[in-house]
Amino acid sequence: SAVISQKPSRDICQRGTSLTIQCQVDSQVTMMFWYRQQPGQSLTLIATANQGSEATYESGFVIDKFPISRPNLTFSTLTVSNMSPEDSSIYLCSVEDVASFYNEQFFGPGTRLTVL
Amino acid sequence: GNSVTQMEGPVTLSEEAFLTINCTYTATGYPSLFWYVQYPGEGLQLLLKATKADDKGSNKGFEATYRKETTSFHLEKGSVQVSDSAVYFCALSDPMNSGGSNYKLTFGKGTLLTVNP
Repeated sequence: SAVISQKPSRDICQRGTSLTIQCQVDSQVTMMFWYRQQPGQSLTLIATANQGSEATYESGFVIDKFPISRPNLTFSTLTVSNMSPEDSSIYLCSVEDVASFYNEQFFGPGTRLTVL
Repeated sequence: GNSVTQMEGPVTLSEEAFLTINCTYTATGYPSLFWYVQYPGEGLQLLLKATKADDKGSNKGFEATYRKETTSFHLEKGSVQVSDSAVYFCALSDPMNSGGSNYKLTFGKGTLLTVNP
């Protein structure tokens, strides 16, 4: 199984600013994913990040708001741009374990973001 | 589209009590079903899974059976412990509608379980 770390673990930000969240994996993985968990809601996939290509965004999420980088096979960043209080959520990265038969996903501990 | 509905929480039980957390789903294809658990301050961990009808997933004393006729995947444990206190998420993946990959998980809202000594 993969071990995933995220930085920061939590942050409080002002409206209109941007925050970059880092995701580090202890092994090389092809696919990395970013999810959002709004208060009282389920996890929602934001985008899929493959190394060497542009991220693929889900409906309702756009690159200008959530730019993603994937410079290598163990690292990715998600930026939450021009934040508003509605962006207050937990952001999680995950990776797909292609070695497992059913391509299980492993999740990081999450970044708890509060926007004032 | 796909969706997962799970029992609203929070659920509070005494140690050694029986646990059931209900989960039902809608899917257009032939989904795989999962239960994830999130302990305080930690990331989501896969608890168990089932990939076809009538499969039973089990782990750490927890069980769930894939019931296609009722589109359900209820989580059960016969005797809970304080250490089981966590948030439990039911999820599905539908490879037929995800480009062949299991990666696109659809989650329920999560159920907070608290077990008291």
